[in-house]
Amino acid sequence: AQSVAQPEDQVNVAEGNPLTVKCTYSVSGNPYLFWYVQYPNRGLQFLLKYITGDNLVKGSYGFEAEFNKSQTSFHLKKPSALVSDSALYFCAVRAPPKGGGADGLTFGKGTHLIIQP
Amino acid sequence: DSGVTQTPKHLITATGQRVTLRCSPRSGDLSVYWYQQSLDQGLQFLIQYYNGEERAKGNILERFSAQQFPDLHSELNLSSLELGDSALYFCASSVTPGRAYEQYFGPGTRLTVT
Repeated sequence: AQSVAQPEDQVNVAEGNPLTVKCTYSVSGNPYLFWYVQYPNRGLQFLLKYITGDNLVKGSYGFEAEFNKSQTSFHLKKPSALVSDSALYFCAVRAPPKGGGADGLTFGKGTHLIIQP
Repeated sequence: DSGVTQTPKHLITATGQRVTLRCSPRSGDLSVYWYQQSLDQGLQFLIQYYNGEERAKGNILERFSAQQFPDLHSELNLSSLELGDSALYFCASSVTPGRAYEQYFGPGTRLTVT
């Protein structure tokens, strides 16, 4: 079975500083990895994904993530944090599909990112 | 706005009752997924439909069922409701399963069971 761990319930960063939100995963085979963001009383918004290729993927709102196969990690990063980045961030994994099989996402428990002015 | 719509936004009902949640996927998306978000269980995948047919089941209770109609909208039916079923229920859609397409989420339906 696949799983995702987000070791930090909350990350506090000062505005303008770089931020990192950690994610590690466990899955058989090559993973498909995703980051989503959830603002209060809203649905999840897709940020970025890693499928294959370059280990550094770029996404929406200036976010990027680095895939590290040996450490089974997919940390979310941003060079300069904004107060508006404050939200709940979810990492998710899906095993590579086989013959059109199930592709529901397995989510981590989420990390609250708080950017302080 | 993801293009995925869900109704109703809020639902309050009593234990033992049955409710139906509705989802319309993004235009062109054939696959629909249902997820449950609760404080104790987090975000859990419930069930997936593709072009009208059930594709996969996750942690869905036997009291819950779903279907996808010819116009591709989907309904999640929750019956014999318990207090623990109180949660935010999300629908998501993607172009097709079996590919590396991201899923787009609706705003959710908040269910409160009293």
